[in-house]
Amino acid sequence: GENVEQHPSTLSVQEGDSAVIKCTYSDSASNYFPWYKQELGKRPQLIIDIRSNVGEKKDQRIAVTLNKTAKHFSLHITETQPEDSAVYFCAASVNEKLTFGTGTRLTIIP
Amino acid sequence: SAVISQKPSRDICQRGTSLTIQCQVDSQVTMMFWYRQQPGQSLTLIATANQGSEATYESGFVIDKFPISRPNLTFSTLTVSNMSPEDSSIYLCSVVGRSTTRETQYFGPGTRLLVL
Repeated sequence: GENVEQHPSTLSVQEGDSAVIKCTYSDSASNYFPWYKQELGKRPQLIIDIRSNVGEKKDQRIAVTLNKTAKHFSLHITETQPEDSAVYFCAASVNEKLTFGTGTRLTIIP
Repeated sequence: SAVISQKPSRDICQRGTSLTIQCQVDSQVTMMFWYRQQPGQSLTLIATANQGSEATYESGFVIDKFPISRPNLTFSTLTVSNMSPEDSSIYLCSVVGRSTTRETQYFGPGTRLLVL
């Protein structure tokens, strides 16, 4: 089955700096890659997603890039703010089933 | 997007007992899933809840331990049977709505279960 690896497991950045989280997947049939943000005690919230026919997608301060050949995708957050502090999960979808990465705990230092 | 609710929001149960978790959506959805999130861990898919038929379970999860029902397009239940402390987790349902693009999943608020 699909295997998704996510790095780093923890990330601390100064407020205003950029944060990058990277994921790799194993199944070349994966065709959909969402990113979720989970704040403490809350449900995972979809923040951005990308499909396999697109290389990059941007939504305000958040962007995702996909390299199908290398089977990796990344989340980029620019101009980070304290409210960006949370755990971020990447996922890959095969036949509409999501396999999640292990998560990255992002801390924004004021 | 659809409004998803879960009951109960949390519970403390004794080992050997069973708990049924409900997931209700305010509109018809195409797909419903159940996930487990162990403390401090990622999300693991338990099964796909199929409307009117048996659920499709992922490797490591069996129907006797996690029976699932989905009687219609807006409701599903997950039962955690014969519980042990290792079942202490957050259980989340997710849905793919009819108005969303295929595969986009939205999560319910979760049920926080502690087994003593």
